[in-house]
Amino acid sequence: DAGVIQSPRHEVTEMGQEVTLRCKPISGHDYLFWYRQTMMRGLELLIYFNNNVPIDDSGMPEDRFSAKMPNASFSTLKIQPSEPRDSAVYFCASSLRDQYSSYTFGSGTRLTVV
Amino acid sequence: SQKIEQNSEALNIQEGKTATLTCNYTNYSPAYLQWYRQDPGRGPVFLLLIRENEKEKRKERLKVTFDTTLKQSLFHITASQPADSATYLCALSGNMLTFGGGTRLMVKP
Repeated sequence: DAGVIQSPRHEVTEMGQEVTLRCKPISGHDYLFWYRQTMMRGLELLIYFNNNVPIDDSGMPEDRFSAKMPNASFSTLKIQPSEPRDSAVYFCASSLRDQYSSYTFGSGTRLTVV
Repeated sequence: SQKIEQNSEALNIQEGKTATLTCNYTNYSPAYLQWYRQDPGRGPVFLLLIRENEKEKRKERLKVTFDTTLKQSLFHITASQPADSATYLCALSGNMLTFGGGTRLMVKP
């Protein structure tokens, strides 16, 4: 298995633009998580899905953020409009059994909003 | 409020020594505690999971302890090598996994 695949690896965009981050979880993993990592706040959970259904989105910072999981092999995190304070590394992770099992992370998308 | 604390200062040790990293938490009653390794530019990689009813877990040169009374986990790397240099994150399970800020370990030859 290729692991959790995220794209793009790097994204530079202008303030106000829409940004879409993509994630392909490991096949057979029922849970998918989106995290954001910054120096100041560390790794923060934004939202997680179980069997494609959003379970907890309490970490999504604002209505500008939205996430979807249309099928078991694909998820997106969208920011519209983007702001400089959204600059961070965004990680997608998946888990086989439940939210207590070990997580497999992707390599992340480094987002820079200028 | 819930808090997970790891030493934010880097830990520098000599090759061959044992590295010990600390994870303290407050206002949690985690069923599981996990340790991850993160290299620059990469996502965290799972290392070990320990359950609340387990005192200690080992995997090769790694050892984790979990003291639910002290609300603390210790992560040990014995016979450390320069390749062990990385940031190590502890994570506590509740409804989801919540991560500490991580401790950077530098092993010098």
